[in-house]
Amino acid sequence: GIQVEQSPPDLILQEGANSTLRCNFSDSVNNLQWFHQNPWGQLINLFYIPSGTKQNGRLSATTVATERYSLLYISSSQTTDSGVYFCAVVTSNDYKLSFGAGTTVTVRA
Amino acid sequence: ETGVTQTPRHLVMGMTNKKSLKCEQHLGHNAMYWYKQSAKKPLELMFVYSLEERVENNSVPSRFSPECPNSSHLFLHLHTLQPEDSALYLCASSQDPASGSRDTQYFGPGTRLTVL
Repeated sequence: GIQVEQSPPDLILQEGANSTLRCNFSDSVNNLQWFHQNPWGQLINLFYIPSGTKQNGRLSATTVATERYSLLYISSSQTTDSGVYFCAVVTSNDYKLSFGAGTTVTVRA
Repeated sequence: ETGVTQTPRHLVMGMTNKKSLKCEQHLGHNAMYWYKQSAKKPLELMFVYSLEERVENNSVPSRFSPECPNSSHLFLHLHTLQPEDSALYLCASSQDPASGSRDTQYFGPGTRLTVL
């Protein structure tokens, strides 16, 4: 099956800092989603971004499908950004989401 | 609030107990999913239902038994579980997996299960 690798595994930020999370995948995908899991376990959809760039407030994401990676940018981080960020993909001949192991982000005040 | 609810939020059970997890979606979706999330591991897909028919069963032990009475409700019946089954169990729904790659899944808050 497809391999999804996220880096870094852990990230500690001071409030107000910017950061970049990376997701590499081993095969062509038609669907890529970024999720944020808060400390209580709730997974929230951030972006559906199989290609191109999208922005939502302080978050933005870019997927370069031809090079098989996606980046999630967090700007002016806040303590509420803490949690685990997951990348998940679907290959062209499937419908199941394959998740990466996640990046655990801790934002300190 | 994602439109997907799960109950209970926390559950502690002994290995000989029988319990059920419930998921309900208010999004008008046709597909529902059960995932298992263990510590420091990626989410593992357990079951997929599309229009109340099971379309995926990822080699899950028979001590986990899903039930989908209609497109809005999904249950996971648990019996004679093992301590290693302790995990966060997440339910999700999507419009239609047959639409393929454009389908987006929405997750419930999860049930944190501890097996003693």
